[in-house]
Amino acid sequence: DSGVTQTPKHLITATGQRVTLRCSPRSGDLSVYWYQQSLDQGLQFLIQYYNGEERAKGNILERFSAQQFPDLHSELNLSSLELGDSALYFCASSVGDRGLYEQYFGPGTRLTVT
Amino acid sequence: AQTVTQSQPEMSVQEAETVTLSCTYDTSESDYYLFWYKQPPSRQMILVIRQEAYKQQNATENRFSVNFQKAAKSFSLKISDSQLGDAAMYFCAYRSPNFGNEKLTFGTGTRLTIIP
Repeated sequence: DSGVTQTPKHLITATGQRVTLRCSPRSGDLSVYWYQQSLDQGLQFLIQYYNGEERAKGNILERFSAQQFPDLHSELNLSSLELGDSALYFCASSVGDRGLYEQYFGPGTRLTVT
Repeated sequence: AQTVTQSQPEMSVQEAETVTLSCTYDTSESDYYLFWYKQPPSRQMILVIRQEAYKQQNATENRFSVNFQKAAKSFSLKISDSQLGDAAMYFCAYRSPNFGNEKLTFGTGTRLTIIP
């Protein structure tokens, strides 16, 4: 158990819908990262938040957005869903300071768009 | 931008034998961090081993060790005394030390099968 929790574990929804994925980082971790794992794109970085503020952005679609709340949990919002958005979405957390720190991954949310 | 390449989509090894998984990367940075993550069928991402580029000594964690060749931009993972529980996808990952660029860049992975 990494200490990072993600809900829900599985999500099945239809095209055009909107979903919210939730992540709670490890106690004391200030950074939250979102990654997408799909068959055709592999593991890709989407976005990072540090202590409530956006720190870095990767290949995140405009239909996707995220935020980190004062209690440090984070939500990833996916809207106007397409079949190609079906993937495993990981949240990871870390201390966020410079150095050889580890990013701890949650168990992931499996999103299926039908 | 940094890229990570894993040229072996699949590997297999007999139980108790040794196997080496390959990883190469491309970067213009002189300092950086490299990682190997394991993803078993449960899909959980688990850190196996990490290496700082400025450290010439290869990292070791129990049965797992790396061969880090900075000039060649190579970072291979050696698994000794392979066990059935080692069966998984293995991902090599790169991270910059720079503020605001702390994301992990992953390779495409190597699926490791352990033959009993």
